[in-house]
Amino acid sequence: GAGVSQSPSNKVTEKGKDVELRCDPISGHTALYWYRQSLGQGLEFLIYFQGNSAPDKSGLPSDRFSAERTGGSVSTLTIQRTQQEDSAVYLCASSSLAFVQYFGPGTRLTVT
Amino acid sequence: GENVEQHPSTLSVQEGDSAVIKCTYSDSASNYFPWYKQELGKGPQLIIDIRSNVGEKKDQRIAVTLNKTAKHFSLHITETQPEDSAVYFCAASKGYSTLTFGKGTMLLVSP
Repeated sequence: GAGVSQSPSNKVTEKGKDVELRCDPISGHTALYWYRQSLGQGLEFLIYFQGNSAPDKSGLPSDRFSAERTGGSVSTLTIQRTQQEDSAVYLCASSSLAFVQYFGPGTRLTVT
Repeated sequence: GENVEQHPSTLSVQEGDSAVIKCTYSDSASNYFPWYKQELGKGPQLIIDIRSNVGEKKDQRIAVTLNKTAKHFSLHITETQPEDSAVYFCAASKGYSTLTFGKGTMLLVSP
């Protein structure tokens, strides 16, 4: 079946611009997670959704970062006034009730 | 919060050899330990996982062991093949909560 999809696959933006990254989870998965992976680094947790609510936003690095999820499905991660240190691969994962998180291919964000 | 340490950061082996990657975790309440394989330009792919009520799990050439007392778990790959070359990440979580990842191990399998 279809896995987690993310769009765009690559995004180049100028410093100071806003960007939106999209995640389509596996159908029926109630949990959705956003992670960030900087070059050569591990995965850094950003935010977790259960349904449309976000019980854990502790990983969002600043108030420039926000995320929403609608209809218990699609999620959008928004970064306002992008900075060069925001350059990274943003990964989305979804999960049912079985612990396992399935990852999408990621969006590579480059801030110039 | 949880902290996961992973070693080694790089591992080079000859085809057919075994490879072992080790991780330690800090939160004794963690009860789920997955391993992911990430190839260049792709998202992480789950290869095996273990829950805290089990000490060992095998899937063909891959096995994971868990020592809850020592708070460490290991990935074992036998009869390595060039296509096993990738970055491997361990992680830990408390059930449905977020995963805390190690920093990854780059495995290089030479023909």
